[in-house]
Amino acid sequence: DGGITQSPKYLFRKEGQNVTLSCEQNLNHDAMYWYRQDPGQGLRLIYYSQIVNDFQKGDIAEGYSVSREKKESFPLTVTSAQKNPTAFYLCASSPGQGMTEQFFGPGTRLTVL
Amino acid sequence: GEDVEQSLFLSVREGDSSVINCTYTDSSSTYLYWYKQEPGAGLQLLTYIFSNMDMKQDQRLTVLLNKKDKHLSLRIADTQTGDSAIYFCAESMGGYNKLIFGAGTRLAVHP
Repeated sequence: DGGITQSPKYLFRKEGQNVTLSCEQNLNHDAMYWYRQDPGQGLRLIYYSQIVNDFQKGDIAEGYSVSREKKESFPLTVTSAQKNPTAFYLCASSPGQGMTEQFFGPGTRLTVL
Repeated sequence: GEDVEQSLFLSVREGDSSVINCTYTDSSSTYLYWYKQEPGAGLQLLTYIFSNMDMKQDQRLTVLLNKKDKHLSLRIADTQTGDSAIYFCAESMGGYNKLIFGAGTRLAVHP
């Protein structure tokens, strides 16, 4: 089955630790995205990548880092520099090349203790 | 700058129609989307409309687009309890492979 997977579904982190969230897609999509969702709010774009080995900052990139070494993978690292990391993180992918619809993974809920 | 606005909450009776409204700002948007999010889950693409259309129907869903007023609506006919969710509208940013999302409308369906 084609789709987007995110792991883990729930993640707990101690303050001051870095943590990496996984996102994998087997849709052969060029573009991938990371969003943050806080309770009762919409989605805010953290980083996006339109092609392998290239990525751009979104609206709230501070305290986060990404890599795009393979087309199917776009991991997000939440660093200790992120002041308020507790949130629901959503990964999405898009075919690219003018096709803008995005398809989402199930999300990872990160809680900082 | 770009901005997408939605009302935050809508309550309807089971069997009635629901209408969720959205306004957007980027007149160069090529596509506009509606997504559904159930609790604790990712977003599910419901439907989309191309900017040169003014209506699209897909089973119980009807999308209306008023490009002059930059107004988009989603009508759900015969609303069921399973339609209870948060609905997001999104516009594609002209020239970029990015979407701008509204804050979401929480739809509550009651008996």
